[in-house]
Amino acid sequence: DAKTTQPTSMDCAEGRAANLPCNHSTISGNEYVYWYRQIHSQGPQYIIHGLKNNETNEMASLIITEDRKSSTLILPHATLRDTAVYYCIVESGTYKYIFGTGTRLKVLA
Amino acid sequence: DAGVTQSPTHLIKTRGQQVTLRCSPKSGHDTVSWYQQALGQGPQFIFQYYEEEERQRGNFPDRFSGHQFPNYSSELNVNALLLGDSALYLCASSPEGGGRTGELFFGEGSRLTVL
Repeated sequence: DAKTTQPTSMDCAEGRAANLPCNHSTISGNEYVYWYRQIHSQGPQYIIHGLKNNETNEMASLIITEDRKSSTLILPHATLRDTAVYYCIVESGTYKYIFGTGTRLKVLA
Repeated sequence: DAGVTQSPTHLIKTRGQQVTLRCSPKSGHDTVSWYQQALGQGPQFIFQYYEEEERQRGNFPDRFSGHQFPNYSSELNVNALLLGDSALYLCASSPEGGGRTGELFFGEGSRLTVL
């Protein structure tokens, strides 16, 4: 199963872009990269996913390197409500997600 | 439209006991997955049910078993509880025929404490 590596924690000023990196150097050619976030002890919430092209939705943008060994989640204008643990996940089977320990993002006022 | 619902929200058991956790998937979803999340860790995949059968399984012992009912709801059973089974147990549902939307919907979890 492909493994992901993320920084343990990051801080971001409110209103600024938050860029969360993820390394997934062992990803296979047909494995998707997913991003979820978890606020306090709630269930994880889907943010975005992609295979090899950059993706954007109303919540965030996902930039995947050409060799697919790493990706970056971008929250364009972080708010205090974006404070959460962000998980970068490689799907290892139909809806079988291998979570890492995630990045604890703290948005500062 | 109710999302994924889990019960109970909290429970306390003692070592050696057995526990059953329940999950109702989001309306229209037929695939249910279970995850265990220890304090400070990311969720770990236990298993997945589709068409009332276990389709995928993570690295968990046989003490962890499950079931899916015809209405797609699911149960997670853990026998011979150990202190290390204390965790938040998350249920997630997804539509099998929904394509690769990526939206795995999680419930709020059942927090199990083993004393």
